[in-house]
Amino acid sequence: DAEITQSPRHKITETGRQVTLACHQTWNHNNMFWYRQDLGHGLRLIHYSYGVHDTNKGEVSDGYSVSRSNTEDLPLTLESAASSQTSVYFCASSEWGQGYEQYFGPGTRLTVT
Amino acid sequence: AQTVTQSQPEMSVQEAETVTLSCTYDTSENNYYLFWYKQPPSRQMILVIRQEAYKQQNATENRFSVNFQKAAKSFSLKISDSQLGDTAMYFCAFMKHGVFTSGTYKYIFGTGTRLKVLA
Repeated sequence: DAEITQSPRHKITETGRQVTLACHQTWNHNNMFWYRQDLGHGLRLIHYSYGVHDTNKGEVSDGYSVSRSNTEDLPLTLESAASSQTSVYFCASSEWGQGYEQYFGPGTRLTVT
Repeated sequence: AQTVTQSQPEMSVQEAETVTLSCTYDTSENNYYLFWYKQPPSRQMILVIRQEAYKQQNATENRFSVNFQKAAKSFSLKISDSQLGDTAMYFCAFMKHGVFTSGTYKYIFGTGTRLKVLA
């Protein structure tokens, strides 16, 4: 069965370190998204991609970057981790003409100390 | 800018009873989609139900139905015959239609309602 996976599921890192969160989908979807989930804020969009080599900034993109070199993967990099980036991160994918439903990964809990 | 408001942070309901979760949104768009997503304690979020704004008829999926009031910009979720497995965080979401052609992403989530079904 097709799925979307994230790794690691839990990560503790120190302020200032570079961190990369992986997202891999086997749906063969063109569209992929990264969100962060914080109490009182719901899900907020960080970055998104509509296809290979396409990336776009969401509403909370500062301090984050993504690159899309193939259809399956959209890794999220925190260039210099800050305590404000402690959060739960979700990756999602979707496809054109399929009702715009997004399929979510299980999430990565990131703690920056 | 579009906004989505869920004014009920937490709710509880007895098993087998009916509960309604509220969602209001603000937009100047005429064509859009509205969604309810469920996030169980295991955290993987799944789609519950979807409504296209141009459709007058309210969407229904088994025990889940919506009350879509376009003029009032209201999109509530009704869960009938509540089950213990319905315990989850529920998110309302808005998406501008044609977002992929416009190049501007407009998938906006509310802050969520935590629903607990009591045995």
